[in-house]
Amino acid sequence: QVQLQQWGAGLLKPSETLSLTCAVYGGSFSGYYWSWIRQPPGKGLEWIGEINQIGSTNYNTSLESRVTISLDTSKNQFSLNLNSLSAADTAVYYCARASVAARWRFDPWGQGTLVTVSS
Amino acid sequence: SSELTQDPAVSVALGQTVRITCQGDSLRNYFAGWYQQKPGQAPLLVFFGKYNRPAGIPDRFSGSGSGNTASLTITGAQAADEADYFCNSWDSSGNHLVFGGGTKLTVL
Repeated sequence: QVQLQQWGAGLLKPSETLSLTCAVYGGSFSGYYWSWIRQPPGKGLEWIGEINQIGSTNYNTSLESRVTISLDTSKNQFSLNLNSLSAADTAVYYCARASVAARWRFDPWGQGTLVTVSS
Repeated sequence: SSELTQDPAVSVALGQTVRITCQGDSLRNYFAGWYQQKPGQAPLLVFFGKYNRPAGIPDRFSGSGSGNTASLTITGAQAADEADYFCNSWDSSGNHLVFGGGTKLTVL
């Protein structure tokens, strides 16, 4: 059974860069899309972007000037970088897997990482 | 505002049937996924596409779609079903993924 485990810094200052990593255990890295999704406290889910096994990316238009998603297939990991942080980026960040045939079908999800942006 | 619209809150009496809806132009062309999220937990996929329920999800969860609306139906709602429910799909351009704003389900 595939499991996603994520980690990264939880407290950052405005203008800094968020870096999170998600490791894939128990399943193949190839043949899937790998996404990042975030959820501000008390609010809904926002898709950040995705990457496939060959490194092709697709980003939310509202974030694409600040976001980079990359992968390391040798480690079965993918990462999220989001720069120029502000308080509005405070959220729980999730990684998730989707199939090539249904890139909107996120299953499973990582456990989530709360990232707080505060001076 | 989201391209997928959900009612913010819905309530259902214990054991009764409830339908949670998701509206958006993209749903005329694309399937939706449905996620259950309980406090402090990651979302959980409970239904997707036209007929598909992931392994381990109770069969009281079902889905349907017509026109620009996708629906998640819970037949015989249980206390354990009290949660936030989110739909998702492609946006109207078909290039980016979007979520609905979420529906808070209360089981009375």
